[in-house]
Amino acid sequence: EVQLGESGGGLVQPGGSLRLSCTASGFTFSEFAMSWVRQAPGTGLEWVSSISGSGGRTYYTDSVKGRFTISRDNSKNTLYVQMNSLRVEDTAVYYCARIGFDCGSSDCPAWFDFWGQGTLVIVSS
Amino acid sequence: QSVLTQPPSASGTPGQRVTISCSGSGSNIGPNYVYWYHQLPGTAPKLLIYRHNQRPSGVPDRFSGSKSGTSASLAISGLRSEDEADYFCAAWDDSLSGVVFGGGTKLTVL
Repeated sequence: EVQLGESGGGLVQPGGSLRLSCTASGFTFSEFAMSWVRQAPGTGLEWVSSISGSGGRTYYTDSVKGRFTISRDNSKNTLYVQMNSLRVEDTAVYYCARIGFDCGSSDCPAWFDFWGQGTLVIVSS
Repeated sequence: QSVLTQPPSASGTPGQRVTISCSGSGSNIGPNYVYWYHQLPGTAPKLLIYRHNQRPSGVPDRFSGSKSGTSASLAISGLRSEDEADYFCAAWDDSLSGVVFGGGTKLTVL
């Protein structure tokens, strides 16, 4: 059974940093691309970042480029996102999601076949 | 403002057929696969349709997806009370080099 579990959320001041983790089980982690998707309170889904199975290709939404870094440790079956220079508008539930395919040479499909339960990040002074 | 456009709400009565539209452009839906998700309140989203019209195992055949040009649709037949949820479409966008979502459609079963 595929399982994804996020951790690391919490309250942080604007300008601060946070690292989220997502531990995966039930599948061969390195064979699948992974992603972070967030949802601000009362709003829709927003894709944040994706990473290929090997970790060699990464993709980011414009609003987090230069501030967030996605990475993975395939030996630990764990996905990360390092979030720096956090802004109030980064407040959201952050979900990790498995992508049902690996990324191609220039794209990474919107095929999120399994999701974690989410972790809440609140950026506030 | 979402890159993919969905109606904010839809409704139907039990047993009815409803459709939810998702309008995009030549850089997202036009050349790429469309995916659909639904989300019950307080829970994580779940995949409903992948690659335009494929259903993951466990998703009833009451749910179907289609695509034409730069638009896509999700159809739900035999509407049931448990279908009341938020529905989102998504696709890769070649111009943005990223995934774009629709703003979501809240489905109410009357």
